[in-house]
Amino acid sequence: QKEVEQDPGPLSVPEGAIVSLNCTYSNSAFQYFMWYRQYSRKGPELLMYTYSSGNKEDGRFTAQVDKSSKYISLFIRDSQPSDSATYLCAMSAYSGAGSYQLTFGKGTKLSVIP
Amino acid sequence: DAGITQSPRHKVTETGTPVTLRCHQTENHRYMYWYRQDPGHGLRLIHYSYGVKDTDKGEVSDGYSVSRSKTEDFLLTLESATSSQTSVYFCAISETGILNSPLHFGNGTRLTVT
Repeated sequence: QKEVEQDPGPLSVPEGAIVSLNCTYSNSAFQYFMWYRQYSRKGPELLMYTYSSGNKEDGRFTAQVDKSSKYISLFIRDSQPSDSATYLCAMSAYSGAGSYQLTFGKGTKLSVIP
Repeated sequence: DAGITQSPRHKVTETGTPVTLRCHQTENHRYMYWYRQDPGHGLRLIHYSYGVKDTDKGEVSDGYSVSRSKTEDFLLTLESATSSQTSVYFCAISETGILNSPLHFGNGTRLTVT
């Protein structure tokens, strides 16, 4: 079982739809959870960064963490064509002996159709 | 945008030749990273630096070396390029360690080894 699983899509939705993107993980040591957005031929851009279980909202974006289920989600409300990108989840943990690990999902490609 | 500049943006080279990629930051962040991104694999850490002259290996470090002589510059060298090193290379920076400080990425170098 891979440490972080993310459905690659592609996911295609009409403009204005609510989008739900998800990742599951197996390592209960993960403590910090991030979502990145990556436009074509660009670097990943940090969208959301959370530590605890629960919801964090920023404009049209809501990040949700459920540590008991090892499941994180990113919701996009009122989706826009400009939201068309690949979304990467990432999570970090202390891996012992002074080392840390940051593990990325493989990304979900989202297209928002006008 | 985080002040990260990667050069060159594109490079085509032949098998067996040495290649150096450069990352320059203007944020004065202590930590710098080199990742590669390949279809089906996501982002994988090659090497990272936690200060001037302080570097360590990531999960895919074979065939790569790094150097950091100044806070703002982090160089990635492919000693003898192979076709398996054809990839998109991203530099990232973070203020503190990988556990609790999100990464900010440059826009990548697209390397093709023929």
